[in-house]
Amino acid sequence: GAGVSQSPSNKVTEKGKDVELRCDPISGHTALYWYRQSLGQGLEFLIYFQGNSAPDKSGLPSDRFSAERTGGSVSTLTIQRTQQEDSAVYLCASSLKARAGTGELFFGEGSRLTVL
Amino acid sequence: QKEVEQDPGPLSVPEGAIVSLNCTYSNSAFQYFMWYRQYSRKGPELLMYTYSSGNKEDGRFTAQVDKSSKYISLFIRDSQPSDSATYLCAKTRGGSYIPTFGRGTSLIVHP
Repeated sequence: GAGVSQSPSNKVTEKGKDVELRCDPISGHTALYWYRQSLGQGLEFLIYFQGNSAPDKSGLPSDRFSAERTGGSVSTLTIQRTQQEDSAVYLCASSLKARAGTGELFFGEGSRLTVL
Repeated sequence: QKEVEQDPGPLSVPEGAIVSLNCTYSNSAFQYFMWYRQYSRKGPELLMYTYSSGNKEDGRFTAQVDKSSKYISLFIRDSQPSDSATYLCAKTRGGSYIPTFGRGTSLIVHP
């Protein structure tokens, strides 16, 4: 497909379980972002990947959160020992490096996580 | 103070009205300003971005930046029910590729 693809679209889990969320960016986009959107809140930055550079992890809220990007393409966001406050929509976005500074991000439809 | 402040609304207007959506921001370093539109249960999509002060127009949409007052606005002319969505303003800081977003304003255009 032409857009950013995220899976699963919905995930319900029990408190304490680990979850993995997947993002497949637009082909050729070297910049990849993860954001979190809680009910009534704006987008909270989590992590940013740019090519082979070290990722900017400054937005990760705790060490239970981690992300990797394999082969400069697909990314996985992992949340360990989930808590109820982790319930949110996790949005992935990608961008061409040359356009990333202008804020031209292309978002997926998100993975809606519910922690019971 | 959050870097980008935005009234969450909702803002309800009749079809055909001119809509004005606003944000204020802090930190005046070199930066770009963006407006995104987000329909319910969808990801945000970029409407417009601008760098300089002044206006930028695209069809029924006009983005305005006033750097002296740190105010950014989006105007929608001849609003349509299909414009009903949440509008997110955002900006990047100098040297950063990471946009900071406001909370979004919910717009409802009723027929």
